[in-house]
Amino acid sequence: DQQVKQNSPSLSVQEGRISILNCDYTNSMFDYFLWYKKYPAEGPTFLISISSIKDKNEDGRFTVFLNKSAKHLSLHIVPSQPGDSAVYFCAASGAGNQFYFGTGTSLTVIP
Amino acid sequence: NAGVMQNPRHLVRRRGQEARLRCSPMKGHSHVYWYRQLPEEGLKFMVYLQKENIIDESGMPKERFSAEFPKEGPSILRIQQVVRGDSAAYFCASSPWGAAEAFFGQGTRLTVV
Repeated sequence: DQQVKQNSPSLSVQEGRISILNCDYTNSMFDYFLWYKKYPAEGPTFLISISSIKDKNEDGRFTVFLNKSAKHLSLHIVPSQPGDSAVYFCAASGAGNQFYFGTGTSLTVIP
Repeated sequence: NAGVMQNPRHLVRRRGQEARLRCSPMKGHSHVYWYRQLPEEGLKFMVYLQKENIIDESGMPKERFSAEFPKEGPSILRIQQVVRGDSAAYFCASSPWGAAEAFFGQGTRLTVV
């Protein structure tokens, strides 16, 4: 049972444009959400997080939006750079404290 | 402050052998998580441990897999009698407390031949 879903396996964006990566979850008990970035043959690295008391969190070029009623979050990258090309995973956590990950979206930023 | 260290990076085992994967969390981190990534799939939660305790093992296969995080030393993920389907990348992550962002190691790539 996939509690966190990333329905777009891949996304291509021109350099300088906005990248929008989407994530949906099913468990209403999740209250903390994270985005990770992963390069091939490396472990995921933490990018940005948001708790359920907020609907937006911004860090430089990265902004995460949370829509609790829709159980949806998104990661915006503006402007996109070639070095952003990687697989992006969203993750969610609730009272149990373990993290549930989506299946990832592979982002390609075209120079 | 060294990051999460996993070893070995690559492990090859014949069917039926045992695989031991080690994870040293970041200094000061007492929460450890193990994840498995099969080819073309996302990260699947396996087990969540704190020092000397298994908190949640709901993602662990019921047979052949076990995990521990002793008071001293690294966390160990042990797979007995490996089969080809166990071939995957196994990632360990640690956090200072539950629900904080977890830091991942570089993973151990297990290949069963």
